[in-house]
Parts: sequence; C-alpha cells; structure tokens
Amino acid sequence: EAQVTQNPRYLITVTGKKLTVTCSQNMNHEYMSWYRQDPGLGLRQIYYSMNVEVTDKGDVPEGYKVSRKEKRNFPLILESPSPNQTSLYFCASSSIAGARTDTQYFGPGTRLTVL
Amino acid sequence: LAKTTQPISMDSYEGQEVNITCSHNNIATNDYITWYQQFPSQGPRFIIQGYKTKVTNEVASLFIPADRKSSTLSLPRVSLSDTAVYYCLVGAPYNQGGKLIFGQGTELSVKP
Repeated sequence: EAQVTQNPRYLITVTGKKLTVTCSQNMNHEYMSWYRQDPGLGLRQIYYSMNVEVTDKGDVPEGYKVSRKEKRNFPLILESPSPNQTSLYFCASSSIAGARTDTQYFGPGTRLTVL
Repeated sequence: LAKTTQPISMDSYEGQEVNITCSHNNIATNDYITWYQQFPSQGPRFIIQGYKTKVTNEVASLFIPADRKSSTLSLPRVSLSDTAVYYCLVGAPYNQGGKLIFGQGTELSVKP
C-alpha cells in the first residue's frame, strides 16, 4: 500500500530535549516536505527536499533541521525544542520527475507538545 | 509564489451544492491549482487539480476562469461527511523550486 508514515504519532517532551520525528514514504517520490499546523494559521511549510541531499527552507524553518540521506526518509529534528514548537506536524511526499502535478501524499500527523 | 485567499468558513446543509472560491492573483503561467480536503486529526488528501476551464471527477468539480486569477471548488449535494477544511494550493514543486504556500483553508460545516 502506498503510504507516508510518521513516528511517533504523539509526543510530549520538555524544553531543550532534542527529538527527531521520522518520516518515510514507499512511493519512490523525489519531493518530501514537512509542515506544521496551528489553529487559525493553516499549513505552513517548514523544510522541503527536492531529492537526496537537496533540502531547503520553507516558510517557518527556525528551530528545525532536516536531512535527506535516503530517498524514502526525511526526518525532522528539533535540536532544542521550545513551547512555541508545540504543534501538529505533517510530512508529505510527491513525485516531480516528468510530472506536471504537485499532488502530495500526507502522513497521519505527529502531535507534539513541548512543556 | 502565488498566494491564495479563501473564506475562513462556510456553512451548508445536506443535499446542497457548495462552492468555495480561492483567489490567486499572482498565479504563474505554468502553475496548476490543486485542492485538498482535511478531516480533523488527519493529513490533507488530494481532491482535484486543474489548469484552466473545468475539471470534474467523482468527488468535485473545479472551475477556472480564463484569467486564472481565481478558482472555484464545487461540491455537489454535500453530506455530513463533507464537513472538513478545504485548502487551495497554487503551483508545483519543480516550478517554484520546492517551496509551497498553503492558504488558511476554508472550514466547511455541513448541517443536517
């Protein structure tokens, strides 16, 4: 089954404790992206990757890091989480090679609470 | 990057047709228009995509005027299960270099 998986689905942590949220897709997609969703603000892009070893900042990259060492994985790293990073996070992927579309497939979300 | 503007919320009743309009004045020549649907605590999912005129699938229709500065998602005969947030997105990763900007979305509430 074609899917994007995220882990963990729920996480409660404390300020300053480094954490990683994993994202994996099994569709051989080139493009992967991380979003955060907050009430009243919709979906905001954090980082994206056009392919392996190619990453770039989205609209709200401060406080986050990413890496793309393999095509299928795109982990989101919070080196020193703060309470303002409490949010619902979504990973997404799409194919861009020769395709006209940007149809993205989203993961189920990770609800992060930073105390 | 094309920025989109949508109504924050809309109400409807079961069986009615719902039209949600998205404004995108800065749309680029090669941009496509894509709509996503999101239920609470789930990731958005693709509904429909178009470039110009009209596109229809089993779920919805998308109307795009000639100037492409706006688009309208049409949901025929909505049911309670269509209650969700609907996002309009303009562009494509390879045209924009990968950066995508979603609007705030339209929260549709369908009442019995």
